[in-house]
Amino acid sequence: QVQLVESGGGVVQPGRSLRLSCAASGFTFRTYAMHWVRQAPGKGLEWVAVISTAGDDTHYADSVKGRFTISRDNSKNTLYLQMNSLRAEDTAVYYCARDPSSAAAYYFEYWGQGTLVTVSP
Amino acid sequence: VLTQSPATLSLSPGESATLSCRASQNVRTYVAWYQQKPGQAPRLLISGASKRAAGIPARFSGSGSGTDFTLTISSLEPEDFAVYYCQQRSDWPRITFGQGTRLEIK
Repeated sequence: QVQLVESGGGVVQPGRSLRLSCAASGFTFRTYAMHWVRQAPGKGLEWVAVISTAGDDTHYADSVKGRFTISRDNSKNTLYLQMNSLRAEDTAVYYCARDPSSAAAYYFEYWGQGTLVTVSP
Repeated sequence: VLTQSPATLSLSPGESATLSCRASQNVRTYVAWYQQKPGQAPRLLISGASKRAAGIPARFSGSGSGTDFTLTISSLEPEDFAVYYCQQRSDWPRITFGQGTRLEIK
């Protein structure tokens, strides 16, 4: 069965960096576009970023553009999110999610359990 | 922008639920619906406005096109009480979600 397991969350000071990982199993990772979606405590869902199957095409929400970088290692079946210049408003549970398609349908078919990032002095 | 209504819906098991999602511009049929229970990740219910995801019970149905969309849950089961979000992908990569509708037990 499809499994997505995020890791790397924690408490970090404003302006610092953090890298999240998402280990995928149960499907052919290299054939699906992948996303990060976040949810601030008690709030709704916010799409963050998408990456193509080969990793050569990425797109970001305006709120993170220039600060966050999505990447993947298909040999390790792992998705990453490098978060730089973190702000208090980046505090959220970060989910990795699998697209239904290789061509990025921008729906979120499978989700991990999420990892909490808290940005606080 | 996606606007969901009502914010909270109070119903009893066995009743039918109708959740609304209105888009500020034409999103054709590029709408999905998700269910989220406390402490859990969201679950995809419907994509393409009306296509049920794998393993989703037939009591969940989606409809609509353009700017008005509906998620209908017929004969509510106890496990259906949760928060529901709509999402549009028409304006990719500017993906947006609605603010959610909380379906609670009356």
